[in-house]
Amino acid sequence: GQQVMQIPQYQHVQEGEDFTTYCNSSTTLSNIQWYKQRPGGHPVFLIQLVKSGEVKKQKRLTFQFGEAKKNSSLHITATQTTDVGTYFCGGNAGNMLTFGGGTRLMVKP
Amino acid sequence: DGGITQSPKYLFRKEGQNVTLSCEQNLNHDAMYWYRQDPGQGLRLIYYSQIVNDFQKGDIAEGYSVSREKKESFPLTVTSAQKNPTAFYLCASSIEGKGKETQYFGPGTRLLVL
Repeated sequence: GQQVMQIPQYQHVQEGEDFTTYCNSSTTLSNIQWYKQRPGGHPVFLIQLVKSGEVKKQKRLTFQFGEAKKNSSLHITATQTTDVGTYFCGGNAGNMLTFGGGTRLMVKP
Repeated sequence: DGGITQSPKYLFRKEGQNVTLSCEQNLNHDAMYWYRQDPGQGLRLIYYSQIVNDFQKGDIAEGYSVSREKKESFPLTVTSAQKNPTAFYLCASSIEGKGKETQYFGPGTRLLVL
C-alpha cells in the first residue's frame, strides 16, 4: 500500500533559525496537504498542493510539491516560538489521505 | 458554532472492558474518520465512512468497531480485543470523503488503560 515518510522526526532550532520538513511518498500523488498540530491540540489544515512543481507561501511558510509529485517540503523562515508543534503531510494517491509520521518542531527562545 | 466535538476528553478503560468514544459534527459533512495517534507518532486510520449506514476499515481496524446511523455521528468502540488501546483518538470529517478535501479534526479523546 501507499506509504508516506516524513523527515526529520524531531527538530530543535534556535528562534530565528530556519526549519524544513520533507515528505516522501512511495507512489505518485494527486495532491498533498499539510497540517499543524500544536502541543496538546488537534491537527489543523494549513494548505493543499495539487500541481507538479507548485510552490505556495503563507507569510514565513513556503510549501513545495515536487516535479514528480512524489515529494513535498515545508520551509519556515526565521522560526518563532509560535511555530512550535508537529507538522504532518497527508498524501492522496487514490481517494484517501495517508499521513506521514510528522515532524515535531521545538523552538528555543 | 460549527465544528466537530468529541467526548469525553479523557477516558479510562479497565481490562476486558469495551468503551465507546463519541464524535459529532454539525458541518453537514458526508465523510467522517477515526484516527489513532500514539506519542510522537503520526495519524493512523482506523475506520472511515463516506455515507450514512456505510463504513470501511482503515489500516488498523482490528479491535475497533464503528457505526454510522446518523450523518452527524460516528461513534468508535474500542473492544477488549484491542490489546494496546492507550492512545490519543482523533475524529475528523470532510465534505465528501475524497482525498482532495480538507479534513476537520475534533479535539480528541485520550484513552488510558487502568
